[in-house]
Amino acid sequence: AQSVAQPEDQVNVAEGNPLTVKCTYSVSGNPYLFWYVQYPNRGLQFLLKYITGDNLVKGSYGFEAEFNKSQTSFHLKKPSALVSDSALYFCAVRTPYGGATNKLIFGTGTLLAVQP
Amino acid sequence: DVKVTQSSRYLVKRTGEKVFLECVQDMDHENMFWYRQDPGLGLRLIYFSYDVKMKEKGDIPEGYSVSREKKERFSLILESASTNQTSMYLCASSLGQNHPGELFFGEGSRLTVL
Repeated sequence: AQSVAQPEDQVNVAEGNPLTVKCTYSVSGNPYLFWYVQYPNRGLQFLLKYITGDNLVKGSYGFEAEFNKSQTSFHLKKPSALVSDSALYFCAVRTPYGGATNKLIFGTGTLLAVQP
Repeated sequence: DVKVTQSSRYLVKRTGEKVFLECVQDMDHENMFWYRQDPGLGLRLIYFSYDVKMKEKGDIPEGYSVSREKKERFSLILESASTNQTSMYLCASSLGQNHPGELFFGEGSRLTVL
């Protein structure tokens, strides 16, 4: 069964420092991987995705993520954190196989807190 | 831009009431989904639909039903609300089931059952 793990419930970082939010996955075959962000009392907003190709994916708001097949990871990164990046971040995975049961599976979320 | 609209942002209901959560998307997406979000549990899929009048159970369908009479609208129904259904409910849509694209989410409906 496919699954996603976000090992850190919370990540604290000072403004201006680089940030990393970790994600590992388990899926049969090559995965489709996604990152979403959620601000308080809002829905999820799409940040970036990996489908195929270059392992380094760039997304919205200066975020990027690196697909590492050998480590089955897809960590979210940003070179310089902003206070406004403080939010809840979700990693998600699905298989590339079609069909009605092809669902997006989400991690439990990591709360990013950026201190001024 | 894709817009997914959930009709109610906040609802307070009593135990045993029937509850309807409505979701409309404006981008002609085939797939629509209902998730619930609880602290420490992430997002869990309740039901999804890949076509009009088609529905599939997700991971936690018990106590819920859905309706999709039109392509743009996907309703979540709690036949008899219970306190353990107090949660944030998120609707999402996406292109066809063989498309690798992302989900687009509504703003969420926070339901409190007293």
